[in-house]
Amino acid sequence: NAGVTQTPKFRVLKTGQSMTLLCAQDMNHEYMYWYRQDPGMGLRLIHYSVGEGTTAKGEVPDGYNVSRLKKQNFLLGLESAAPSQTSVYFCASSSHTGNTEAFFGQGTRLTVV
Amino acid sequence: QQQVKQSPQSLIVQKGGISIINCAYENTAFDYFPWYQQFPGKGPALLIAIRPDVSEKKEGRFTISFNKSAKQFSLHIMDSQPGDSATYFCAASVNSGNTPLVFGKGTRLSVIA
Repeated sequence: NAGVTQTPKFRVLKTGQSMTLLCAQDMNHEYMYWYRQDPGMGLRLIHYSVGEGTTAKGEVPDGYNVSRLKKQNFLLGLESAAPSQTSVYFCASSSHTGNTEAFFGQGTRLTVV
Repeated sequence: QQQVKQSPQSLIVQKGGISIINCAYENTAFDYFPWYQQFPGKGPALLIAIRPDVSEKKEGRFTISFNKSAKQFSLHIMDSQPGDSATYFCAASVNSGNTPLVFGKGTRLSVIA
């Protein structure tokens, strides 16, 4: 069972470069999320989606864009990477919001130099 | 404004001891309180969760205690083992609506022999 798969696992970017992180889930979940994890800051929500074709801003959306063209995929884009975006990014999915389990991917470690 | 406050930031416990992590919340609409466990290099995974209609939930060595009037909940790990060494996140959400989980900042637990 693959669950939630993130690609790539590691990436180094130069300031100003762009990239897209891909998240794929095979559980037919409606809801998908992108979090970033920084030391001492916990998990902060970047963007989320409550269904195919819909997206919403989370706590720290600036500098990121997302798309959910297919139910199973949730893409996170960085148009012009900045050193402040150096972080570990986690994608998650759940069948609903509220009192249901969120399943996380293995994470993408991104370094912006 | 941090909606879920978690303490301590780090914790060192002797093998066989009790680990206690505390969380406090402000939003009285929260009605689902999960704890996630994260091992190094992995994504968080659901450990145990509670709803406010009960004051305690136990699963093996892990217990959640919930105090609705104080708006606090805590995770107790009995007979702590080195394999429990991980980062623990408390979280909260509202069952109804499309509100994603809000996470605390995490507690890094080290269980030493």
